Amino acid sequence: DQQVKQNSPSLSVQEGRISILNCDYTNSMFDYFLWYKKYPAEGPTFLISISSIKDKNEDGRFTVFLNKSAKHLSLHIVPSQPGDSAVYFCAATRGGAQKLVFGQGTRLTINP
Amino acid sequence: SQTIHQWPATLVQPVGSPLSLECTVEGTSNPNLYWYRQAAGRGLQLLFYSVGIGQISSEVPQNLSASRPQDRQFILSSKKLLLSDSGFYLCAWSVLGQYNQPQHFGDGTRLSIL
Repeated sequence: DQQVKQNSPSLSVQEGRISILNCDYTNSMFDYFLWYKKYPAEGPTFLISISSIKDKNEDGRFTVFLNKSAKHLSLHIVPSQPGDSAVYFCAATRGGAQKLVFGQGTRLTINP
Repeated sequence: SQTIHQWPATLVQPVGSPLSLECTVEGTSNPNLYWYRQAAGRGLQLLFYSVGIGQISSEVPQNLSASRPQDRQFILSSKKLLLSDSGFYLCAWSVLGQYNQPQHFGDGTRLSIL
């Protein structure tokens, strides 16, 4: 049972434009959501998170939106830069359990 | 600042051989520790987690085991590797006992079974 899904395996965006990465989840008990960025041969790096009591969290060029009724979250990157090219994973957990459930990842490519 | 170290970075092992991957964390005490595996083209799957020395929880039945002999040391082992054990193994840590804290990952070990 895939509780966290990233339905787009890849996304290509022009430099300077907005990148929007999407993630859906099925478990309504999830209350904390995270986005990680991963370069090849490296571990994932934490980017930004959001608690279920919020619907938006912003950090510089990165904004995460949470729609609890749709069980959907998205990551917006504005403006997109070449260094943003990486695989992005969304993850979710519940009740402070710290046991993260990850999506399959979306490969973002920023074109000059 | 906190850092997490994993080694080796790359490992090629024959089927049936034993395995030991090590992870250590610096700059923090009493962390939660985790082992994940990423199979080719897939997301990260939690294998084991630990909230203290000698305390190991297994998430997925498999050919692997984990141990935590010291507060900031986490070891992933196998007595006999299978072809299906190939993958990218990641260790992570998080702050113990605090709600809604991210996990922080090491750079991983690429394990290939021949």
